[in-house]
Amino acid sequence: EAEVAQSPRYKITEKSQAVAFWCDPISGHATLYWYRQILGQGPELLVQFQDESVVDDSQLPKDRFSAERLKGVDSTLKIQPAELGDSAMYLCASSFGRGGLDTQYFGPGTRLTVL
Amino acid sequence: LAKTTQPISMDSYEGQEVNITCSHNNIATNDYITWYQQFPSQGPRFIIQGYKTKVTNEVASLFIPADRKSSTLSLPRVSLSDTAVYYCLFSGSARQLTFGSGTQLTVLP
Repeated sequence: EAEVAQSPRYKITEKSQAVAFWCDPISGHATLYWYRQILGQGPELLVQFQDESVVDDSQLPKDRFSAERLKGVDSTLKIQPAELGDSAMYLCASSFGRGGLDTQYFGPGTRLTVL
Repeated sequence: LAKTTQPISMDSYEGQEVNITCSHNNIATNDYITWYQQFPSQGPRFIIQGYKTKVTNEVASLFIPADRKSSTLSLPRVSLSDTAVYYCLFSGSARQLTFGSGTQLTVLP
């Protein structure tokens, strides 16, 4: 069964450093999502791509976060500089179509700890 | 913003049927009700989706009354491996999914 791949699985960094997360969606999935999940809470959408275009980044802290999906396949989420409050699980998901009716398939996530 | 209300936690014993109810008073006409399951240190996984009445698949049933202001996820004969967080959310009229805090289900031996 095809899966969403993410790396690294765990990342420890110091505040003010730069970090980057990578996501490879299921082949053929047009839509890619990045979520942030703080311990004890549900996932919060950061950015949504339709192919290579951003369709929603309203919750992305753009002063320090950036995301790209240059060829409409894999994607990178970057934080620079990292802050203590960025410690969380970063989840990538993909879906075949766009819109909330399509089942989203989630990767295993990257656990970020900022010291 | 689409908002759901679920119990924070529930306990059950192996072999029992578990029903988790979610209220969604402001559901829109175009919205479907979707449930996801999340194990610790994993991403959420789709369980079931429905619009009205009853939907059943190989792992769960979803009951939605006529007014659609609530829904109930039913897990038949739970096992220890069903211990997880269960999220109820809308999908359809909004482009994105909005997750709440979910319900922590703990299955006891």
